[in-house]
Amino acid sequence: QKEVEQNSGPLSVPEGAIASLNCTYSDRGSQSFFWYRQYSGKSPELIMSIYSNGDKEDGRFTAQLNKASQYVSLLIRDSQPSDSATYLCAVNPHLTGTASKLTFGTGTRLQVTL
Amino acid sequence: EAGVAQSPRYKIIEKRQSVAFWCNPISGHATLYWYQQILGQGPKLLIQFQNNGVVDDSQLPKDRFSAERLKGVDSTLKIQPAKLEDSAVYLCATSGGAIEYEQYFGPGTRLTVT
Repeated sequence: QKEVEQNSGPLSVPEGAIASLNCTYSDRGSQSFFWYRQYSGKSPELIMSIYSNGDKEDGRFTAQLNKASQYVSLLIRDSQPSDSATYLCAVNPHLTGTASKLTFGTGTRLQVTL
Repeated sequence: EAGVAQSPRYKIIEKRQSVAFWCNPISGHATLYWYQQILGQGPKLLIQFQNNGVVDDSQLPKDRFSAERLKGVDSTLKIQPAKLEDSAVYLCATSGGAIEYEQYFGPGTRLTVT
């Protein structure tokens, strides 16, 4: 059973702080990794994808991947109240092709306080 | 670019009744996925289509769930007969754009079985 583990939270951070969200996965052969943001009552929205070890930055978001440790994280700088949501980590065994399939974690709920 | 469309957005049925959900993918996206998301959990893949062929339906409860994707575009997911435990959000996602393995979700259909 391939698993993706996340702390369910809630993770509470003050406005303007850095939020750090973590995810571990069991399938060592996993190739691509995704972070989705899901507001209450809404569908998941893709915010970051990463497939190479190291950091990938996009605006206030940075995804970090360490395949040796089977660990992927998402940093949100200058956290805003609008960042309050559940963040889902998803793992794909493939980079491309018809066999691509996402396994999701249960999500971490982030609360940004004023 | 228009996103993934789904209908209906909400549905309430009694157990043992049947229900159908519809999905229209992002134009040009060849791969279509149906996920089930139970409250407090991450999405779970039910079935994956590549064009109009099934790639993976290993987690689809085939005694009551069926899905089709005619002409490789729109897709329908049917449940017959519904059980109380089918109450969930049914999400359609598609991939096959500029970054082939990135999946984009529709707004989902919230099903309540009473």
